Amino acid sequence: KAGVTQTPRYLIKTRGQQVTLSCSPISGHRSVSWYQQTPGQGLQFLFEYFSETQRNKGNFPGRFSGRQFSNSRSEMNVSTLELGDSALYLCASSLTGQPGDTIYFGEGSWLTVV
Amino acid sequence: GENVEQHPSTLSVQEGDSAVIKCTYSDSASNYFPWYKQELGKRPQLIIDIRSNVGEKKDQRIAVTLNKTAKHFSLHITETQPEDSAVYFCAAQLNYQLIWGAGTKLIIKP
Repeated sequence: KAGVTQTPRYLIKTRGQQVTLSCSPISGHRSVSWYQQTPGQGLQFLFEYFSETQRNKGNFPGRFSGRQFSNSRSEMNVSTLELGDSALYLCASSLTGQPGDTIYFGEGSWLTVV
Repeated sequence: GENVEQHPSTLSVQEGDSAVIKCTYSDSASNYFPWYKQELGKRPQLIIDIRSNVGEKKDQRIAVTLNKTAKHFSLHITETQPEDSAVYFCAAQLNYQLIWGAGTKLIIKP
């Protein structure tokens, strides 16, 4: 079965613009989470959605937002882009998000802000 | 909230030797501890995990141990090979959120 799919894979934006990233989870998975990874850094949790509801949110400014649709697909949006937002954004899905559910990552969206 | 510390940040071992990476967590309610491997330019992939009711789990050359009392868990890789070179992340799950360690870059010297 298809894995987690993220689009676009690469994008370049200008400071002050906004960007929307898309994630299609593995079929049947209802939990989708988003992470930011900067070069040489770990995985910083952004938020997690289940059945269109945000259950957890990381420590990021309000410029970072997300949503989940009824088919479990998810989008994240970053408004008023800053240079420091340049990073790899990873989406991950699991069946329910419960402890013990294996989390599968997409290949990520590389965002460069210039 | 939960905090996960991972050591060392870089580990260099001779091919064929063993490698050990250690993580500590702060919240005793955490009950699931996966380890992910991320090769350069690729997505993180699960290599092994352990639940809080188990002390040790092994899968071929990879093993994970968990000490709930001390709140630490470790990844053990035996007979290291060049393809083991990657960044390894530990994590602890609390409720619906995984808290990640900062990662360990494992270098296998020929």
